Amino acid sequence: QQQVKQSPQSLIVQKGGISIINCAYENTAFDYFPWYQQFPGKGPALLIAIRPDVSEKKEGRFTISFNKSAKQFSLHIMDSQPGDSATYFCAASQETSGSRLTFGEGTQLTVNP
Amino acid sequence: DAGITQSPRHKVTETGTPVTLRCHQTENHRYMYWYRQDPGHGLRLIHYSYGVKDTDKGEVSDGYSVSRSKTEDFLLTLESATSSQTSVYFCAAREGYEQYFGPGTRLTVT
Repeated sequence: QQQVKQSPQSLIVQKGGISIINCAYENTAFDYFPWYQQFPGKGPALLIAIRPDVSEKKEGRFTISFNKSAKQFSLHIMDSQPGDSATYFCAASQETSGSRLTFGEGTQLTVNP
Repeated sequence: DAGITQSPRHKVTETGTPVTLRCHQTENHRYMYWYRQDPGHGLRLIHYSYGVKDTDKGEVSDGYSVSRSKTEDFLLTLESATSSQTSVYFCAAREGYEQYFGPGTRLTVT
């Protein structure tokens, strides 16, 4: 059973545009929601994360929006650049269960020059 | 990046042979994790450890075992490799709430 669902599977954006990736979760006990960025041949790298006590977190061009009542969270990449082209994964974890990460299926982002 | 290294980085093995993958960390983290990555599935947890000799199963643990005799090393063993275990394996270590991943091991079972 997939506890974290991610969409879209792939996304093509023009340089300077906004990239938006969405995730929905089922387990209301999740208390930590990170986003990872992965380039081909590399391990996932932590990009930005949020706890459920805030509705938004911004770091540079990257913003997480969190909707606890809807059990959804999203990643917004402002002013998208070709260097942002990568696979993005959302995830969720629960500290009292060893902080095991449950991942979404991933989104392949392509930013065209 | 929690100073995580994985070895080997690539391995090709035959069905039925045992395989051990090693994860090494230099930051003295208590929690360590093994995930596998397959197209369409994201990353899925195999096993994790919350201390020396303390381990627990993840969602895809069948066919895998782990051991942690030292804080810095977390070993993943495939007792008898099968073609369905062809995958990219990632180790991670936890620092606070955050998990940091190693570079991965690409395993092919023929």
